Amino acid sequence: EVQLVESGGGLVRPGGSLRLSCAASGFTFRNFAMSWVRQAPGKGLEWVSSTSASGGGTYYADSVRGRFTMSRDNFKNMVYLEMNSLRAEDTAVYYCAKDVGDTTPDAFDIWGQGTMVTVS
Amino acid sequence: DIQMTQSPSSLSASVGDRVTITCRASQDISRWLAWYQQKPEKAPKSLIYAASSLQSGVPSRFSGSGSGTAFTLTISSLQPEDFATYYCQQYNTYPRTFGQGTKVEVK
Repeated sequence: EVQLVESGGGLVRPGGSLRLSCAASGFTFRNFAMSWVRQAPGKGLEWVSSTSASGGGTYYADSVRGRFTMSRDNFKNMVYLEMNSLRAEDTAVYYCAKDVGDTTPDAFDIWGQGTMVTVS
Repeated sequence: DIQMTQSPSSLSASVGDRVTITCRASQDISRWLAWYQQKPEKAPKSLIYAASSLQSGVPSRFSGSGSGTAFTLTISSLQPEDFATYYCQQYNTYPRTFGQGTKVEVK
């Protein structure tokens, strides 16, 4: 079964840091680009960051560039989102998502269940 | 950035109705458009990519069409499990952008 499982969310003070993780299984992880998408309470979906299959190319939304760092470990089948200088407006459910293919940008086909980050 | 605008923002419909949601892009995105379904407190589910290709396992009552700047998602016969919020997303260029969502409610 293709599965993405996020972890690492929680309550953090403004200005603090948090590291989210996403464990992938059920597919050849190294062949697919991966992304993070967030959803603030009661709001719509917002793309945050994506990394290519190799990890050689990484992209960020303007709202997080310079504060967030996305990385992946193709040996451990893991994706990470290091979040620094957190702000109240970063409060959201963070979803890990698998891209349809190995090139990016692409559509998403698989989503994790999400992990909640609260900055307060 | 490419702006994605969905209409309507919400609609009321009955089981069996044909439902159409429109998504417009602020510039040409060819067919690089996806549709997602989200139910309350749940993760989004992928429905359609490349404007009209169904993701694996998605019922055939869902269909997508369009190219350039105008796209539609159609549910041919609304089922009880289809009441949800639907989002379009362009992936022609970064930043990937979503529409604001269309909530399909029970009439």
